[in-house]
Amino acid sequence: SQQGEEDPQALSIQEGENATMNCSYKTSINNLQWYRQNSGRGLVHLILIRSNEREKHSGRLRVTLDTSKKSSSLLITASRAADTASYFCATDAGGYQKVTFGTGTKLQVIP
Amino acid sequence: GAGVSQSPSNKVTEKGKDVELRCDPISGHTALYWYRQSLGQGLEFLIYFQGNSAPDKSGLPSDRFSAERTGGSVSTLTIQRTQQEDSAVYLCASSYHPGRYEQYFGPGTRLTVT
Repeated sequence: SQQGEEDPQALSIQEGENATMNCSYKTSINNLQWYRQNSGRGLVHLILIRSNEREKHSGRLRVTLDTSKKSSSLLITASRAADTASYFCATDAGGYQKVTFGTGTKLQVIP
Repeated sequence: GAGVSQSPSNKVTEKGKDVELRCDPISGHTALYWYRQSLGQGLEFLIYFQGNSAPDKSGLPSDRFSAERTGGSVSTLTIQRTQQEDSAVYLCASSYHPGRYEQYFGPGTRLTVT
């Protein structure tokens, strides 16, 4: 079964609005990562947050991590049409073992 | 430097044939992953190599699937007696260290079984 589950499965917003995606996971982790996928091909790494961090920023991206709730959120501020993509969270399930991906959130930003 | 490369980019094969998919990871990356992604779906973990350790094959869907990583570098995913349900994009990724660092993905191989 998937270690991570994203919510919502799909999200449609107007350009300029903020987009928030959530990820829940099952076991303890060392790190959580977010990736973006365009056009159903290779994924691109966005940001990594460690288990001892609560919040991290990168440009228009803001990631939070709540290890007590086993959840993370990805916020994209001032969205652009180019942000249209699928977004996946990935966790290492503790012990620096294999990294597995969630089911993804499909974001559509309407110009 | 060069990123992760995969070949072929597209493969069309007849049901029952064997196929080999190749992945060239980034030099120096000890971890290598194979994933499968069906149209519009999430990533399905297949197999994971880490250094010289025995691979984690827990995601392989059947014994028709196998993978090797020669010399800790290039990896080949082999699917024997392909079935139509094997049609998907097969993604390879490598990482300097599992979990601690991001994965770098190749462009994928789109496999179509007719």
